[in-house]
Amino acid sequence: QKEVEQNSGPLSVPEGAIASLNCTYSDRGSQSFFWYRQYSGKSPELIMFIYSNGDKEDGRFTAQLNKASQYVSLLIRDSQPSDSATYLCAVKGNSGNTPLVFGKGTRLSVIA
Amino acid sequence: DAGVTQSPTHLIKTRGQHVTLRCSPISGHKSVSWYQQVLGQGPQFIFQYYEKEERGRGNFPDRFSARQFPNYSSELNVNALLLGDSALYLCASSPDVHYEQYFGPGTRLTVT
Repeated sequence: QKEVEQNSGPLSVPEGAIASLNCTYSDRGSQSFFWYRQYSGKSPELIMFIYSNGDKEDGRFTAQLNKASQYVSLLIRDSQPSDSATYLCAVKGNSGNTPLVFGKGTRLSVIA
Repeated sequence: DAGVTQSPTHLIKTRGQHVTLRCSPISGHKSVSWYQQVLGQGPQFIFQYYEKEERGRGNFPDRFSARQFPNYSSELNVNALLLGDSALYLCASSPDVHYEQYFGPGTRLTVT
């Protein structure tokens, strides 16, 4: 059973701080890693994806991948109250037929 | 450009009934996936289609079926509805099976 683990939170950070969200996965053959943001009552919105070890930056967001440790993280710099949402980590294997496997999500609360 | 569209937005059905949910992918995307999301959980994979062929099936009973049409739109059918089928049903599209997926707004199904 392929699993993706996330701390359910809530993770509370003050406005302007860095929020760090973490995810571990069980399938060592996983190749593609995604972060989705989901506001309450809405559908998931893709915010970052990463395929190679290291860091990938997009605006205030940085995804970090360490395949040896089977660990992927998302950093949100200068956190804003509008960043308050549930962040879902999703992992995909190396075959086109393997599905996206999601974690349960981490709820982030940015306090003004 | 239009994103993924789903219909209907909300649906209330009675146990034992049948339901059909519809999805239109982003223009140019040939792959559609279906997910079920219950409160407090990440999306669970149901089906993936690419070029009208089923490319993956999750751990759901045979009451769940789907198909993809020549214009790449898709429908998800659920027969003999159970109370436990109440959930947010999400459709996601991607250019092909290897790339990132973009979600539609979802269909909220309530079974009474």
